[in-house]
Amino acid sequence: DQQVKQNSPSLSVQEGRISILNCDYTNSMFDYFLWYKKYPAEGPTFLISISSIKDKNEDGRFTVFLNKSAKHLSLHIVPSQPGDSAVYFCANTSGTYKYIFGTGTRLKVLA
Amino acid sequence: ETGVTQTPRHLVMGMTNKKSLKCEQHLGHNAMYWYKQSAKKPLELMFVYSLEERVENNSVPSRFSPECPNSSHLFLHLHTLQPEDSALYLCASSRHGSGYGYTFGSGTRLTVV
Repeated sequence: DQQVKQNSPSLSVQEGRISILNCDYTNSMFDYFLWYKKYPAEGPTFLISISSIKDKNEDGRFTVFLNKSAKHLSLHIVPSQPGDSAVYFCANTSGTYKYIFGTGTRLKVLA
Repeated sequence: ETGVTQTPRHLVMGMTNKKSLKCEQHLGHNAMYWYKQSAKKPLELMFVYSLEERVENNSVPSRFSPECPNSSHLFLHLHTLQPEDSALYLCASSRHGSGYGYTFGSGTRLTVV
């Protein structure tokens, strides 16, 4: 059974420093990994994705790293900004409609 | 504006009530979803509609009844709910097979009293 785990429920980082959010998964069936960001009272919004054939994808301040041997995914935000404070969900998908989400990590960026 | 609109934003209902949640998208997507978000739990997939046909029902109790009359609209009909059904219900849409993510609505915060 595919599972996606985010073992840190919360993280606090000083503005300007790097935020690192982690995610582990239990098997490699599905081909895409994604990160979503959620503000209070809003739905999650797509942030960045990575295909399982890659080990890194970068988009501005956001970089996702995939370590297939460790079954580990991480999101790096640098430099962190107060507006990045939100809940971040990682997800795994085969590319069709089935997504498996983690429980989320609440990031707080301190000014 | 996210492109996926959910109404109402908040709903309080008694256990004997019948209510409906509505979701609308005009993004040209052909798949729509209902998710449930409870505190400290992963987002739980409830139903998937692809091309207006239900393709997945994740062991959801029959007190939740989805309806997809066309590719732009999705409903979740609720009746005789339990207090443990209180949660944030999120609608999402996607282009089937894209693998590049859903567009979520803002959700309906449901409280069952």
